[in-house]
Amino acid sequence: GEDVEQSLFLSVREGDSSVINCTYTDSSSTYLYWYKQEPGAGLQLLTYIFSNMDMKQDQRLTVLLNKKDKHLSLRIADTQTGDSAIYFCAEGANSNSGYALNFGKGTSLLVTP
Amino acid sequence: GAVVSQHPSWVICKSGTSVKIECRSLDFQATTMFWYRQFPKQSLMLMATSNEGSKATYEQGVEKDKFLINHASLTLSTLTVTSAHPEDSSFYICSARESSGRMYEQYFGPGTRLTVT
Repeated sequence: GEDVEQSLFLSVREGDSSVINCTYTDSSSTYLYWYKQEPGAGLQLLTYIFSNMDMKQDQRLTVLLNKKDKHLSLRIADTQTGDSAIYFCAEGANSNSGYALNFGKGTSLLVTP
Repeated sequence: GAVVSQHPSWVICKSGTSVKIECRSLDFQATTMFWYRQFPKQSLMLMATSNEGSKATYEQGVEKDKFLINHASLTLSTLTVTSAHPEDSSFYICSARESSGRMYEQYFGPGTRLTVT
């Protein structure tokens, strides 16, 4: 995870938009991912974007990719208290065993009423 | 669809004993499964990749004799932590890739919290 950087904490008010940012270093990454982890639970795939795309929108989620700057962001519109969780950015990268995911440390999102 | 389960969800064991964690793909076949380890407030670190019917491939720094991985069927992979010590206490998460699916999609299990006393 040391090659994928995220801010550790974000607090927003319910109803506002949240923007979580991520930078990665592997320019050969073909896919970039956003996962959500609720307390004590595993990871839920929220969305992913192919590296030749600039933007992907899925309901309240918008992913922006700036491949030149190796910057990825996740925007959550109309953030709800149920969106409070840790959000992990991940890049698809080649490891000893082939294609695997390299995660950032996660951004804790706190949504206040 | 694409549900991955882990068992147990939580285990406490004494130092020196071994613990087996199961990872199952419930509604799909998974040629490849991955084992990750997560420390509190840290990222997931890939430990090893498990391919059905062959030996697992371990990441650098992971002791293969300590973390035994078996992937005997297309729906089950197991991780055995041998001679566990307190420093092995962690959250272990598996993921699975569908055999017939796109190689870029992985589905994660809910994780197993291991505490070694």
